[in-house]
Amino acid sequence: GAVVSQHPSRVICKSGTSVKIECRSLDFQATTMFWYRQFPKQSLMLMATSNEGSKATYEQGVEKDKFLINHASLTLSTLTVTSAHPEDSSFYICSAEGQHSNQPQHFGDGTRLSIL
Amino acid sequence: GEDVEQSLFLSVREGDSSVINCTYTDSSSTYLYWYKQEPGAGLQLLTYIFSNMDMKQDQRLTVLLNKKDKHLSLRIADTQTGDSAIYFCAEILPSGGYQKVTFGTGTKLQVIP
Repeated sequence: GAVVSQHPSRVICKSGTSVKIECRSLDFQATTMFWYRQFPKQSLMLMATSNEGSKATYEQGVEKDKFLINHASLTLSTLTVTSAHPEDSSFYICSAEGQHSNQPQHFGDGTRLSIL
Repeated sequence: GEDVEQSLFLSVREGDSSVINCTYTDSSSTYLYWYKQEPGAGLQLLTYIFSNMDMKQDQRLTVLLNKKDKHLSLRIADTQTGDSAIYFCAEILPSGGYQKVTFGTGTKLQVIP
C-alpha cells in the first residue's frame, strides 16, 4: 500500500532554532500534501495544504512566515518551523493525496517537536 | 458547519464488541474515514465509506452510515487489547480540487483484559 515517510520522528532543540521536517511519498506521486498539528489529547488541526510547484495554502490563524512550506517535487514536501519557541512544541503530521482524488490520504508517522 | 464530534472515551472488555460513534454536520461530504492512532504514532487508515453507502464490512470492522441523521459508527467485533488506541472519524469534503479532511475529536478506546 501507499507509504508516507516523515522525518525526523523526534526533535528536541533550543528556543530560536529553525527546524525542518520532511514528508515523502515513497511509492506514489503526491500532487497535494497536507500538514497537521496535534496538541496533546486533541484532534488534528490542518495547518496548510501544499501543492507541488505552487505556494502553500494556509489555514486561518497559521502564520505562513513562521511555518514555511516547500513542495518542490511530487514526492517531497518540507515544513520549516522558523525561530521555534516553546509554544511551537507539538506533534506535527503530514499526509499525502495521490493523483486520483478519490483515494484516501495516507499519513506519516508524525514528528514530535520539543522546544526547550 | 464542519464540526465532527465523537464521545471522548470508551471502555470495553476483551472479546466484546466496541461501537464508536461520530456525528458530522456537513451533508456534502463525499467520504467518511476511520483512522486509528496509537500513542506517539501517526494515523493508520482503518476503513472508509462512500457517502452513498449505508454499510461496509471489512473483517472485524463494520461501518454504518446514517446520512439522514449525519451519524457514522465503527463497530469492532471481538475487541482485542491491541485495539486500544484513539480512533478518529474524518469527514472528506471536496475543496478547490483536492480533499479537505476534517477530523473528529477522537475517541480513546480502552480494552480491559
